[in-house]
Amino acid sequence: AQSVTQPDIHITVSEGASLELRCNYSYGATPYLFWYVQSPGQGLQLLLKYFSGDTLVQGIKGFEAEFKRSQSSFNLRKPSVHWSDAAEYFCAVGAMEYGNKLVFGAGTILRVKS
Amino acid sequence: EAGVTQFPSHSVIEKGQTVTLRCDPISGHDNLYWYRRVMGKEIKFLLHFVKESKQDESGMPNNRFLAERTGGTYSTLKVQPAELEDSGVYFCASSQAFGVQETQYFGPGTRLLVL
Repeated sequence: AQSVTQPDIHITVSEGASLELRCNYSYGATPYLFWYVQSPGQGLQLLLKYFSGDTLVQGIKGFEAEFKRSQSSFNLRKPSVHWSDAAEYFCAVGAMEYGNKLVFGAGTILRVKS
Repeated sequence: EAGVTQFPSHSVIEKGQTVTLRCDPISGHDNLYWYRRVMGKEIKFLLHFVKESKQDESGMPNNRFLAERTGGTYSTLKVQPAELEDSGVYFCASSQAFGVQETQYFGPGTRLLVL
């Protein structure tokens, strides 16, 4: 069965500090991997996605993620967090064998302290 | 260009009542998806339309849920009769082309509370 685990429900970081949000997946097929962010009152916005090729993917707002097949992980990183990054972050996985649907993790709420 | 819009933003109903949620996808997007998030858990897939046809409805929880997409434009999701466990946030998303690699653009969601 397909599943996505985001082990951290909440994370608090200081403004300017680095950030890493963890994502592990369990998938029988070749995964397509996504990170979305949801700010209050907004829809989910795609930060970045990985299908193939270079395992380090650059996204919007200064985020990047690295795909590690051996660890079944797709962790999201940002070198310096801004107060506006406070939001909820979702990792999602898809595969052609399962149609267009995405399987999401439970989300990680990021708090930024000044 | 307008994004995915959903109406209403919030709905509070009593158990046994009927509620209809509406989604307007991005213009020109043939693919439309419904997802649901209950009480801080995972966002779960409900179904996928390609134009007016249901491509995948494997995530629909039971026959109290009815989704339609008239003329391949906007979509409605009706819950009848609503139960307490239907409370949650219902998201709609759309994508231009078919394929899991295509970016799905999400609306802000409809928060449904069943009392």
